[in-house]
Amino acid sequence: GENVEQHPSTLSVQEGDSAVIKCTYSDSASNYFPWYKQELGKRPQLIIDIRSNVGEKKDQRIAVTLNKTAKHFSLHITETQPEDSAVYFCAPTPSGGYNKLIFGAGTRLAVHP
Amino acid sequence: NAGVTQTPKFQVLKTGQSMTLQCAQDMNHNSMYWYRQDPGMGLRLIYYSASEGTTDKGEVPNGYNVSRLNKREFSLRLESAAPSQTSVYFCASTWGDTQYFGPGTRLTVL
Repeated sequence: GENVEQHPSTLSVQEGDSAVIKCTYSDSASNYFPWYKQELGKRPQLIIDIRSNVGEKKDQRIAVTLNKTAKHFSLHITETQPEDSAVYFCAPTPSGGYNKLIFGAGTRLAVHP
Repeated sequence: NAGVTQTPKFQVLKTGQSMTLQCAQDMNHNSMYWYRQDPGMGLRLIYYSASEGTTDKGEVPNGYNVSRLNKREFSLRLESAAPSQTSVYFCASTWGDTQYFGPGTRLTVL
């Protein structure tokens, strides 16, 4: 089955710094690559996603890059703010294979003022 | 729209008791899911339903049953709760590939 790994598991940055979280996966059939943000005690929410025919996507301070050959994709957050503090999950998804959906274990990001 | 709703928010059970977690969505989505989230871990898929009348096992189905009552509702049943089922349970529905999660049910089994 799919093997999904996120690195690092925890990340601590100063406000204004950049943060990068990497997700590696094993299923070559994956073609949808989302990142979810979960604040403490809240539900996960989609923040950005990318499809396999695109290499990079940006939305204001966040971006996702995909290297399908190497089977990894990364979340980039620039000019971090305290409200970016949360746990971030990747969930590489194979086409039509929602019963095979595997979430990464999560990266806890702490942004210090 | 309320989105995805779950009841109850919190529940404490004794080992061997049964209960049903309720989930409903008002977004007319076809697909619905049940996940569990244990401390320090990601979400693990228990069951999913691609459409009304169909259900399929996910990664960790043992000890659970589900019912897709209609397009709106997808319930999760624990027939004989065990301490290993202590977790936070999230229901989700899908529009395209995007998952929309409910607020979660925090379940403790003593």
